[in-house]
Amino acid sequence: NAGVTQTPKFRILKIGQSMTLQCTQDMNHNYMYWYRQDPGMGLKLIYYSVGAGITDKGEVPNGYNVSRSTTEDFPLRLELAAPSQTSVYFCASKDRGPAYEQYFGPGTRLTVT
Amino acid sequence: TQLLEQSPQFLSIQEGENLTVYCNSSSVFSSLQWYRQEPGEGPVLLVTVVTGGEVKKLKRLTFQFGDARKDSSLHITAAQPGDTGLYLCAGPYTGGFKTIFGAGTRLFVKA
Repeated sequence: NAGVTQTPKFRILKIGQSMTLQCTQDMNHNYMYWYRQDPGMGLKLIYYSVGAGITDKGEVPNGYNVSRSTTEDFPLRLELAAPSQTSVYFCASKDRGPAYEQYFGPGTRLTVT
Repeated sequence: TQLLEQSPQFLSIQEGENLTVYCNSSSVFSSLQWYRQEPGEGPVLLVTVVTGGEVKKLKRLTFQFGDARKDSSLHITAAQPGDTGLYLCAGPYTGGFKTIFGAGTRLFVKA
């Protein structure tokens, strides 16, 4: 089992550029999440999905978009990158139920200059 | 609004010392989780507590869930440099789809 994989691991974008952060899980989890973590801070939820074809906004969705066409994949799209989007992005997945463990990917460190 | 507040924000101690970190809320949670995050990696689950008053032990780590299920603590006995990391508490939003995370306690254990 690879668990949750994310690509790329590092990326530098110029202001106004766009990119897609990839996330794939092989645990057949229905729930998937995108978080951002700013330096010295906890995790803020950007978007989440409870199954293929179903997505919803989290705390900080502005400037991002997601799609969930399959159970395995949950890409995060950044349109018109801004310096405020400089952060580390984590994808996570979990099984149904509030007490189930979230499994996190290794993160993507994004810098927008 | 459900919030989880963690204290202290930062802790730097010598190897062998004991410490306790706290996670508090004004809301009742059906369960709380503790994650540890090492530099450059994603968080990894340490424990889930689900019953008010519950105590769970994981080697030198002791986790407690408050009787009213509004708070939790993590106690580390004889801390080691390998305990260094960011400790995050987390709990489910009402409805269970989403998880709320505290801002974390950053622990540094010096050899």
